[in-house]
Amino acid sequence: LAKTTQPISMDSYEGQEVNITCSHNNIATNDYITWYQQFPSQGPRFIIQGYKTKVTNEVASLFIPADRKSSTLSLPRVSLSDTAVYYCLVAPSGYSTLTFGKGTMLLVSP
Amino acid sequence: DAEITQSPRHKITETGRQVTLACHQTWNHNNMFWYRQDLGHGLRLIHYSYGVQDTNKGEVSDGYSVSRSNTEDLPLTLESAASSQTSVYFCASSEHRASTDTQYFGPGTRLTVL
Repeated sequence: LAKTTQPISMDSYEGQEVNITCSHNNIATNDYITWYQQFPSQGPRFIIQGYKTKVTNEVASLFIPADRKSSTLSLPRVSLSDTAVYYCLVAPSGYSTLTFGKGTMLLVSP
Repeated sequence: DAEITQSPRHKITETGRQVTLACHQTWNHNNMFWYRQDLGHGLRLIHYSYGVQDTNKGEVSDGYSVSRSNTEDLPLTLESAASSQTSVYFCASSEHRASTDTQYFGPGTRLTVL
């Protein structure tokens, strides 16, 4: 499985755009990139998933460059409620289990 | 609405006791997973099941067991609780086996072993 590296923590203020980058240098051809969000005292929840280029949903955008060796989760205009841990996961679509790293702790301040 | 629940939400037990954590989902998902979460380690997979009567070991399965007698439930048993098993435990389920399929997580059980 591809190893992922992401910052341990990030700080932001309300209203700012936040970009969290995940490095996955040994990503394989059939690997997908998935991001989960975990609020304090809750289980993780799916945010977004992509294979290449850009994916956007109502919560976030995911940017994947052509070489796919990294990906960037973009959260537009964060609020205090976006304070959470964000996990980047890389796994082949045919692989049934997920490996969670330590994630990035995002703290949004007023 | 479909959901996944865990009970109890908090549990304190003593070393050597057997403990069972319950997980119940109403999604009718075939796949269910147990993770533990510790500071500095993220989430680690303990056991998982693809369906009734199927169980598989994950990354940190020693000291834990599961059984799947129906679609809705996957109880996690600690045969003889140890202090190293103090952790937060999360159950999850998914419809399809593919890692690209969304896993839905329960609220977690905080277990303390004294």
